[in-house]
Amino acid sequence: RKEVEQDPGPFNVPEGATVAFNCTYSNSASQSFFWYRQDCRKEPKLLMSVYSSGNEDGRFTAQLNRASQYISLLIRDSKLSDSATYLCVVNRMTTDSWGKLQFGAGTQVVVTP
Amino acid sequence: DVKVTQSSRYLVKRTGEKVFLECVQDMDHENMFWYRQDPGLGLRLIYFSYDVKMKEKGDIPEGYSVSREKKERFSLILESASTNQTSMYLCASSFSNSYEQYFGPGTRLTVT
Repeated sequence: RKEVEQDPGPFNVPEGATVAFNCTYSNSASQSFFWYRQDCRKEPKLLMSVYSSGNEDGRFTAQLNRASQYISLLIRDSKLSDSATYLCVVNRMTTDSWGKLQFGAGTQVVVTP
Repeated sequence: DVKVTQSSRYLVKRTGEKVFLECVQDMDHENMFWYRQDPGLGLRLIYFSYDVKMKEKGDIPEGYSVSREKKERFSLILESASTNQTSMYLCASSFSNSYEQYFGPGTRLTVT
């Protein structure tokens, strides 16, 4: 089983609509969760961290469900510029060096006019 | 603005060649990482360095080595390139107490 699993999509979303997708993680001891965004042929960039209480950043809302071990991302009022691959990222629980991350393979979102 | 640069955007090498990929960051980050990204597999960690001259194996270190002689520079070496090393290679860096990683633009390596 992969440590971080995502639906690859694509999620085809009309402009202005809402889209939501999840990611599941296997290590119940994981403490830190993130969504990264990767545009076509570009490098990943941090979109937002995911906090236990859930958090919003403009049109983006992230939620964490520890009991079921998944995180979600919701995008409201989708824009054409939201078209990208969204990577679910979880900190790796290792006894050695800090800072290592486990990346999901990504969920592709395509916003159409 | 954090800047992570990689020596080449595209590279074509022949099987058996020794390949050097270089990464430089300008934010005085302690941690540096090399990943490869393949369709459907996501980013996989090849090697990690948390300090000058320090390195740790990631998930797929076989066929690769790294060098970090200066804090800002982290090199990935393919000792004898093989076709299964054709991939997108991404370098990243972060502060030692942070999970936020900053990525370079990537090097698309093709081994023929």
